[in-house]
Amino acid sequence: DAMVIQNPRYQVTQFGKPVTLSCSQTLNHNVMYWYQQKSSQAPKLLFHYYDKDFNNEADTPDNFQSRRPNTSFCFLDIRSPGLGDAAMYLCATSRDSYSGGYTFGSGTRLTVV
Amino acid sequence: GQQVMQIPQYQHVQEGEDFTTYCNSSTTLSNIQWYKQRPGGHPVFLIQLVKSGEVKKQKRLTFQFGEAKKNSSLHITATQTTDVGTYFCAGSRAGNNRKLIWGLGTSLAVNP
Repeated sequence: DAMVIQNPRYQVTQFGKPVTLSCSQTLNHNVMYWYQQKSSQAPKLLFHYYDKDFNNEADTPDNFQSRRPNTSFCFLDIRSPGLGDAAMYLCATSRDSYSGGYTFGSGTRLTVV
Repeated sequence: GQQVMQIPQYQHVQEGEDFTTYCNSSTTLSNIQWYKQRPGGHPVFLIQLVKSGEVKKQKRLTFQFGEAKKNSSLHITATQTTDVGTYFCAGSRAGNNRKLIWGLGTSLAVNP
């Protein structure tokens, strides 16, 4: 089945140690998103790619970076994780910019120790 | 800035009772989407409403989009324990589906 896959499902990292989260999709969707979701909150958009065009949200910290080497894969790099970065990180895709629901991956729960 | 308010924040119901969650936007929306997130899970797309006054049904779920395209509701008839989760509405402005504005969600608990 076509889907969005995130690895790993759980990630523990040390304070200040760089960490990379990965996302892959078999839907061939143009747009890929990275969201941060903390407990009992709505997902918060960090950035998205439309094809190779990168779009950063104004309030996304510089500590967060992203790469999309091809249509299928997208990575979230956290350069120096702080305790406040502990959260669920959700990758999502959508077919285009105008309509249609998002397909989310199962998420990566990041713990910072 | 543009906001989508969603109420109630929490709702406890007895199994078999009905449930409704409401979303209101400060500005006109191009479309509104609804997602369900089970505890420990990820958001799952339920439906998208595009037209003014639109009503769509999915089994026991009824979705409405207001005439002014500023408000929306999700109504569940005769809730079941499988309906437990958080329901989010998310709206987008014209021509920009890449920027969803999310409501804070309504967390539904169903007592068997």
